[in-house]
Amino acid sequence: GQNIDQPTEMTATEGAIVQINCTYQTSGFNGLFWYQQHAGEAPTFLSYNVLDGLEEKGRFSSFLSRSKGYSYLLLKELQMKDSASYLCAVREAAGNKLTFGGGTRVLVKP
Amino acid sequence: GAGVSQTPSNKVTEKGKYVELRCDPISGHTALYWYRQSLGQGPEFLIYFQGTGAADDSGLPNDRFFAVRPEGSVSTLKIQRTERGDSAVYLCASSPRPSGRVRNEQFFGPGTRLTVL
Repeated sequence: GQNIDQPTEMTATEGAIVQINCTYQTSGFNGLFWYQQHAGEAPTFLSYNVLDGLEEKGRFSSFLSRSKGYSYLLLKELQMKDSASYLCAVREAAGNKLTFGGGTRVLVKP
Repeated sequence: GAGVSQTPSNKVTEKGKYVELRCDPISGHTALYWYRQSLGQGPEFLIYFQGTGAADDSGLPNDRFFAVRPEGSVSTLKIQRTERGDSAVYLCASSPRPSGRVRNEQFFGPGTRLTVL
């Protein structure tokens, strides 16, 4: 089976940086995704890592270490609109389905 | 262009009833997925279609759940003899390609909130 762990909740101040960690134990690996989900809305794609290293896209960056089964999502210059849940998901090697962690709820305070 | 749409947005039913949830994927997307999300948790995979056929239905919890995609576009998730534990948001997603070898991210619809009384 697959096990994906991420913190339940984090709080940060507007303008600051927050790092959301995700660890995974899976039988196969074919990519790791981060999604953002505002309350009551659909998850929206943020980033994708399949090779080790850092992927940067504007204020958001995502890192992957396959040997450690570890990823993080870095949110810089936090804005109030970044208050949302952030979902880490692993795609297993054999297919295209995603296995999600429980999500990390980020609260940005003024 | 239009995103993934799901109907109804909300469905309230009584225990034991039958429900159908509909998903319209993004036009041209070959792969379609159903997930279930309970409050405060991440989405849980149910079933995945490539074209008209179910490529992976390992997430369906039991034989009360069934999904079809007869023409390779719209999909319907069917739940028989609903139970209170079926209450959740049912999310549908689609992706451009069947293969998982490239990014091929999934685009999610807004979900159907199912409440079983």
